[in-house]
Amino acid sequence: SQQGEEDPQALSIQEGENATMNCSYKTSINNLQWYRQNSGRGLVHLILIRSNEREKHSGRLRVTLDTSKKSSSLLITASRAADTASYFCATASKTSSGSRLTFGEGTQLTVNP
Amino acid sequence: DGGITQSPKYLFRKEGQNVTLSCEQNLNHDAMYWYRQDPGQGLRLIYYSQIVNDFQKGDIAEGYSVSREKKESFPLTVTSAQKNPTAFYLCASSILDNYGYTFGSGTRLTVV
Repeated sequence: SQQGEEDPQALSIQEGENATMNCSYKTSINNLQWYRQNSGRGLVHLILIRSNEREKHSGRLRVTLDTSKKSSSLLITASRAADTASYFCATASKTSSGSRLTFGEGTQLTVNP
Repeated sequence: DGGITQSPKYLFRKEGQNVTLSCEQNLNHDAMYWYRQDPGQGLRLIYYSQIVNDFQKGDIAEGYSVSREKKESFPLTVTSAQKNPTAFYLCASSILDNYGYTFGSGTRLTVV
């Protein structure tokens, strides 16, 4: 089941602009994570925000979490051509069988030089 | 360097054949996971394991099997019962709870 849904599905911007991607989810979560995937490669963990946090920063990345709206956003500031990749949100939840991540379908970001 | 290694990078399977994908980590992580990714889509969970000798089915376990005999290793077998196995398979590991996953570089499986 796909819990996280990213919006937009694709985003094309110019180098130096900011990129914002949104994620919505349906059930309660322990934390929400963002990952990046370059074409044909594995995923790279970018940032994790816990359910009791509202905002987190890491370098040019800013993540917000609104648990009342069940949504999160990822902001990449001053984008570079090297930021071109797919970005996925993933929600962490605990089950009777242990914790697991559920991924959305991703946003394809293209940064034009 | 610590990391997670998947092999082979490319794998071709004939109809009716079982194939095994390897996943090894030297990060001392307790939990390991297998995901399947189809073109232009997100990741779907196949199996996961929190401790040695124990594993749970994910959302799309039918046609797949796993074992966890060692903490470092979590091989995935794609059986002949999996009717549409062509996909990109990703293995990941993590310390339990509230930590990000470390992913391998993936295995691309194609049915020929």
